[in-house]
Amino acid sequence: DAKTTQPNSMESNEEEPVHLPCNHSTISGTDYIHWYRQLPSQGPEYVIHGLTSNVNNRMASLAIAEDRKSSTLILHRATLRDAAVYYCIRALIFGKGTTLSVSS
Amino acid sequence: DTGVSQNPRHKITKRGQNVTFRCDPISEHNRLYWYRQTLGQGPEFLTYFQNEAQLEKSRLLSDRFSAERPKGSFSTLEIQRTEQGDSAMYLCASSFYSNQPQHFGDGTRLSIL
Repeated sequence: DAKTTQPNSMESNEEEPVHLPCNHSTISGTDYIHWYRQLPSQGPEYVIHGLTSNVNNRMASLAIAEDRKSSTLILHRATLRDAAVYYCIRALIFGKGTTLSVSS
Repeated sequence: DTGVSQNPRHKITKRGQNVTFRCDPISEHNRLYWYRQTLGQGPEFLTYFQNEAQLEKSRLLSDRFSAERPKGSFSTLEIQRTEQGDSAMYLCASSFYSNQPQHFGDGTRLSIL
């Protein structure tokens, strides 16, 4: 089963860091972990991806557990524009994602 | 902007009719994917192409659904004899190759009357 498990929702305040967890306990050695986010009436937007090492880009950081069974997307300073549904996927399988709410 | 383009954005049709959607991927991208998304759910994978070859089809893709990517450029997704359950957002994405980021279009919303 290629499903990932994420909390249904999370809340954050503006300017604070956000850690979005994802479990993928059945991941194979060659599966990359991808994160996307989606706003209403739009297609998903790529955020970050990685295989084994932690990854950073201008949008976020991805921390991958040593056993690769879980990962965490880190938004260093949440803004109102970060409010979206965040999906952690592997092998083309999306779950229901985490709805992130950001308060000012 | 040379992002992924999908047409039409909205399609309303009567049950039993055939519909066709078009996706124009980012031009350099070899892979093209189709997904379906219903309200409150994440996108569900339907099928993908590597250039013009259709390499994988989900069990969700019944025999009423057919997808093509002639010459490895744009792609079409056709649904024959539409049913109420086909109402959804149909998303297209493209990428350079496997395990690379996918770039999504904004989808075609299909409503069946």
